[in-house]
Amino acid sequence: AQRVTQPEKLLSVFKGAPVELKCNYSYSGSPELFWYVQYSRQRLQLLLRHISRESIKGFTADLNKGETSFHLKKPFAQEEDSAMYYCALSASNSGYALNFGKGTSLLVTP
Amino acid sequence: GAGVSQSPRYKVAKRGQDVALRCDPISGHVSLFWYQQALGQGPEFLTYFQNEAQLDKSGLPSDRFFAERPEGSVSTLKIQRTQQEDSAVYLCASSLGQTNGYTFGSGTRLTVV
Repeated sequence: AQRVTQPEKLLSVFKGAPVELKCNYSYSGSPELFWYVQYSRQRLQLLLRHISRESIKGFTADLNKGETSFHLKKPFAQEEDSAMYYCALSASNSGYALNFGKGTSLLVTP
Repeated sequence: GAGVSQSPRYKVAKRGQDVALRCDPISGHVSLFWYQQALGQGPEFLTYFQNEAQLDKSGLPSDRFFAERPEGSVSTLKIQRTQQEDSAVYLCASSLGQTNGYTFGSGTRLTVV
């Protein structure tokens, strides 16, 4: 069975502070991991995926297979980063459907 | 179109009523997914189409839920005899291929009263 866990429902940081949104997963095969973001009144959109090894809007995420984690990090948070963040796993044996975590609401205050 | 379009944006249904939710994916996108997002939860998978073939419907919560994509483009999610627990945002997403990131629609917020 696949499971994605985001332990923090809400994370509040000050502008300029580092931020880390945690994501742990359980899956016996080789997963594809994604981070999706939903800004206020906007649709869910892809932020980044582990196979791309890219940095989007200053965010990075490294897949740690030993710890089964895919934490999202940014060294200096900005107010416009305030949004709902969802970690998601895609498994080949599920038709590549996404299995989402419950999400973490990030609030960046001035 | 430029993005995934869903209609209606909001739907209020009386308990027991049938509803139909429409999804218009990005032109040329082979894969289409439906998700259900209850309040305070992440999206949960309902069903998946590749072109007109429904390859996975394991997430449909009951036989009251039915989805179709007859011509491999527009898809309709139908819920019969709606119940209060069906109240949620229903999200549609499309993708060029199986491993590409999805493009989500804005969703249909269904409220069953």
